[in-house]
Amino acid sequence: QKEVEQNSGPLSVPEGAIASLNCTYSDRGSQSFFWYRQYSGKSPELIMFIYSNGDKEDGRFTAQLNKASQYVSLLIRDSQPSDSATYLCAVKLATDSWGKLQFGAGTQVVVTP
Amino acid sequence: GAGVSQSPSNKVTEKGKDVELRCDPISGHTALYWYRQSLGQGLEFLIYFQGNSAPDKSGLPSDRFSAERTGGSVSTLTIQRTQQEDSAVYLCASSFRPRGTEPQHFGDGTRLSIL
Repeated sequence: QKEVEQNSGPLSVPEGAIASLNCTYSDRGSQSFFWYRQYSGKSPELIMFIYSNGDKEDGRFTAQLNKASQYVSLLIRDSQPSDSATYLCAVKLATDSWGKLQFGAGTQVVVTP
Repeated sequence: GAGVSQSPSNKVTEKGKDVELRCDPISGHTALYWYRQSLGQGLEFLIYFQGNSAPDKSGLPSDRFSAERTGGSVSTLTIQRTQQEDSAVYLCASSFRPRGTEPQHFGDGTRLSIL
């Protein structure tokens, strides 16, 4: 079992709709969770981070964390064509002392006009 | 302020040659990480620096890979006797502190192609 799992997609979303991305992780003690956006040929760009159970909103983005279910999600409201990218879920494992990130394989999102 | 800077942005070299990749982290960031992203693959951790020390080298794929960091700032990743499987994008990230909730910020990467 991979430590961080995401659906690879592609997730096709009509413009203006909500994109819902899911991520599960295996290390129950993990405390820090990050969402990065990666455009094709570019480096990952941090868009959200969450540490506490519940929801965290930043503009059109909402991260949701449920530690009991070992599940973190990202919602993108009012999706725009510029949101078309691969979204990477990253976790700082509780078993790691040095803060390295464990990444999922990424979910490709395609927003269609 | 300036972000993480990596050079070169692209590097093409022949199999068997040595290459050096450079990373200049965000000023004041003590933690520096190297990752690798191969075509169609996820990001793979290589090595972590805290200051000039590398307490976690667990991701280096072979002894052909080495890295150093000087002055608690610039880091160099060296690959000796390159192989075609070394072709990937090499990404550097830095953070203010390694643990807890500090996010990592990535540079633009070095795209390495081994002919």
